Amino acid sequence: GAGVSQSPRYKVAKRGQDVALRCDPISGHVSLFWYQQALGQGPEFLTYFQNEAQLDKSGLPSDRFFAERPEGSVSTLKIQRTQQEDSAVYLCASKKEHYNSPLHFGNGTRLTVT
Amino acid sequence: QQPVQSPQAVILREGEDAVINCSSSKALYSVHWYRQKHGEAPVFLMILLKGGEQKGHEKISASFNEKKQQSSLYLTASQLSYSGTYFCGTERGSGGSNYKLTFGKGTLLTVNP
Repeated sequence: GAGVSQSPRYKVAKRGQDVALRCDPISGHVSLFWYQQALGQGPEFLTYFQNEAQLDKSGLPSDRFFAERPEGSVSTLKIQRTQQEDSAVYLCASKKEHYNSPLHFGNGTRLTVT
Repeated sequence: QQPVQSPQAVILREGEDAVINCSSSKALYSVHWYRQKHGEAPVFLMILLKGGEQKGHEKISASFNEKKQQSSLYLTASQLSYSGTYFCGTERGSGGSNYKLTFGKGTLLTVNP
């Protein structure tokens, strides 16, 4: 079946603008994760959903970051009043089981804040 | 706690072998390995579970030393397609927080003809 789909693939925002990044996980995957990946670094955890419940948002860097998954499927990561340090690739991943199963990543959204 | 990977980078000729290591200062429930090519998504390679079970689908092997909280990924007879950045991801074994993968900084593997 289809993999994890993210849009847009690239986003350029002026400092201070709001952005919304979309993730469409694999059908039937209950767990959904958002990660932030800076250039040359490993993915850093942002937040986790099990179905529509956001169980962990400890990785969100500030209150400008907000994520939702209202119907337990598509998720949106919103960044308000973007700053240059928000520039990174934002990866979404889903998995079938709560644990002991592989993460399936999307291709990410590369956000550049100018 | 971010796991530590070594080496940071390795260059091979096609057909040579490589070992990539991953270690953590905290007790681990499982270790995952992923490979990421430039501009692409990380792709799952293998899970190693506490107790010795392995789950994977590629022709690679790995080990998980629970006592030392270390894992090693073994790439034998490397092919050009093995090039990429390898990440280990660790799940802590503390109750309900098993779900969260914490990734290392990665090991850049380059295989030359």
